[in-house]
Amino acid sequence: NAGVTQTPKFQVLKTGQSMTLQCAQDMNHNSMYWYRQDPGMGLRLIYYSASEGTTDKGEVPNGYNVSRLNKREFSLRLESAAPSQTSVYFCASSDRWDYTDTQYFGPGTRLTVL
Amino acid sequence: KQEVTQIPAALSVPEGENLVLNCSFTDSAIYNLQWFRQDPGKGLTSLLLIQSSQREQTSGRLNASLDKSSGRSTLYIAASQPGDSATYLCAAPGSSNTGKLIFGQGTTLQVKP
Repeated sequence: NAGVTQTPKFQVLKTGQSMTLQCAQDMNHNSMYWYRQDPGMGLRLIYYSASEGTTDKGEVPNGYNVSRLNKREFSLRLESAAPSQTSVYFCASSDRWDYTDTQYFGPGTRLTVL
Repeated sequence: KQEVTQIPAALSVPEGENLVLNCSFTDSAIYNLQWFRQDPGKGLTSLLLIQSSQREQTSGRLNASLDKSSGRSTLYIAASQPGDSATYLCAAPGSSNTGKLIFGQGTTLQVKP
């Protein structure tokens, strides 16, 4: 099993450009998450999908949209990138949407917005 | 609102030393707490998940404890090795006790040979 995979690994954008970060998991998990990690701020939840067909906002959703394409895939879109969105983005998944389950993380996408 | 704090931000120890990493949380009505490891430039790897009913969880040289009454969790690493060098993060469920995790900022550990 590959676990959680993310593409691309690195990306540089100019302010105002758009892009989609891709995430896929092969563990047949029901729940998927997008986080961003910033120095001094830790990891913060952007959006999550508790189950296929549902999405909801996390702690810092402004400037982002998500799509749960199917059970395996969960994408994060930046419509008009801003320098404040320079960060490392992590996708994660878990079998259940509750506090009892471990989340499995992908390797991350390092995004720089100039 | 749940807040999670880890002190110290960085720690350097000689190889072989036993050490304790600390994690504090503000909302004691949690059912579990997780510890993760993050290597430089990598994603997070789950180390231990402690249910409140368990109060303690062990995996190899790692032992994690949870004290809800004091709002604290500790990760004990026995006989530290250079390969243990990484950032360790703890995470607690948000106040609704769902999969929405609140992370601490992590403790970066360096184990010197």
